[in-house]
Amino acid sequence: DGGITQSPKYLFRKEGQNVTLSCEQNLNHDAMYWYRQDPGQGLRLIYYSQIVNDFQKGDIAEGYSVSREKKESFPLTVTSAQKNPTAFYLCASSTAAQETQYFGPGTRLLVL
Amino acid sequence: AQKVTQAQTEISVVEKEDVTLDCVYETRDTTYYLFWYKQPPSGELVFLIRRNSFDEQNEISGRYSWNFQKSTSSFNFTITASQVVDSAVYFCALSEPSSNDYKLSFGAGTTVTVRA
Repeated sequence: DGGITQSPKYLFRKEGQNVTLSCEQNLNHDAMYWYRQDPGQGLRLIYYSQIVNDFQKGDIAEGYSVSREKKESFPLTVTSAQKNPTAFYLCASSTAAQETQYFGPGTRLLVL
Repeated sequence: AQKVTQAQTEISVVEKEDVTLDCVYETRDTTYYLFWYKQPPSGELVFLIRRNSFDEQNEISGRYSWNFQKSTSSFNFTITASQVVDSAVYFCALSEPSSNDYKLSFGAGTTVTVRA
């Protein structure tokens, strides 16, 4: 089945720890995105990538890092510099930057 | 400034009632795209519709219909004869090519609860 997978479903982070969220797609999409959702709010863009080996900061990139070494993969690292990481993280992809974005099932990050 | 406003935070209806979700947007672009997504309790965002700014025709898909009015910058969504499975958070979103990142600017969402 074609789609977007995110893992893990739940992730726990200790103080000072970096954690990495996985996002994989087999839709052959060029563009991939990471959004953050806080309770009762809409989604906000963290990072996006329109092509392999290229990515750009979104509105709330501080404390996060990404890589795009393969077309199908766009992992997000939440670093210790992100002081309020508890949120629901959603990955999306689209055939091209201006096309419809399709979302993965999300990862819920909690701080211990 | 908020680019997408969903004024209704929560709507509760009884099954088979119709429900309309309001969405008002703000943009200076002449070409832009509007979207509706559904987020059921599982959390995944499900794409419902995409509309470009040059296509003002209303659209119907089964029990769902959308009313795009450029003059009032609104893109409202109606669920006809609601069912319990329609219970979810619904998001309206805007994409503006001028932003270069084509990000989706989301409204805060409207929580729809359909009671049996």
